[in-house]
Amino acid sequence: QVQLVQSGAEVKKPGSSVKVSCKASGGTFSSYPISWVRQAPGQGLEWMGIFVPIFNTANYAQRFQGRVTITTDESTNTAYMELSNLRSEDTAVYYCARGRNWNDPDLDYWGQGTLVTVSS
Amino acid sequence: EIVLTQSPATLSLSPGERATLSCRASQTISTYLAWYQQKPGQAPRLLIYDASNRATGIPARFSGSGSGTDFTLTISSLEPEDFAVYFCQQRTNWPPITFGQGTRLEIK
Repeated sequence: QVQLVQSGAEVKKPGSSVKVSCKASGGTFSSYPISWVRQAPGQGLEWMGIFVPIFNTANYAQRFQGRVTITTDESTNTAYMELSNLRSEDTAVYYCARGRNWNDPDLDYWGQGTLVTVSS
Repeated sequence: EIVLTQSPATLSLSPGERATLSCRASQTISTYLAWYQQKPGQAPRLLIYDASNRATGIPARFSGSGSGTDFTLTISSLEPEDFAVYFCQQRTNWPPITFGQGTRLEIK
């Protein structure tokens, strides 16, 4: 059974960066797209971007272009999402999630979420 | 960007009743629609993919239908554990993928 385990909660200052990790066990990232989705308190789900291993490329939602970087390390089955120039509106739970197969980004396995709090 | 609009925002029903949740796309998305369930403090869970296919382990009381721009998630007979928030999501010509704003299913 695939499990995605994310790094712990973070408290960051405005203007700083955060890097969240997502480690897979019981499976690999090697063929599956990995998305990052965030959820502000009491709000809906917001897709931030995706890494597609078969093309070795990342693609980002327009509103996060230039601020977010998604990478993976196949040797450790770990994905990373780094968000820079943090502001208070970035306070949210950040989830990693794996696509169903190499060409289907529907999210069938999710991490437990990482709370990122941005506060001065 | 394709916008998904879910209705109603909140649905109040009793256990045993039938629930019908809607998701409308701003342009045609064929059947590239998924549904997720989210309970408080938990990550979302995939229920339905490609509009009508149940994900692994999802009970048969959950069903999805629709194509083009109009989609429906039906829960045939509500169980207490079904009261949660439901999101639709589309993947046509991904990336990007987009989510609806959610429907809260609450106990009446």
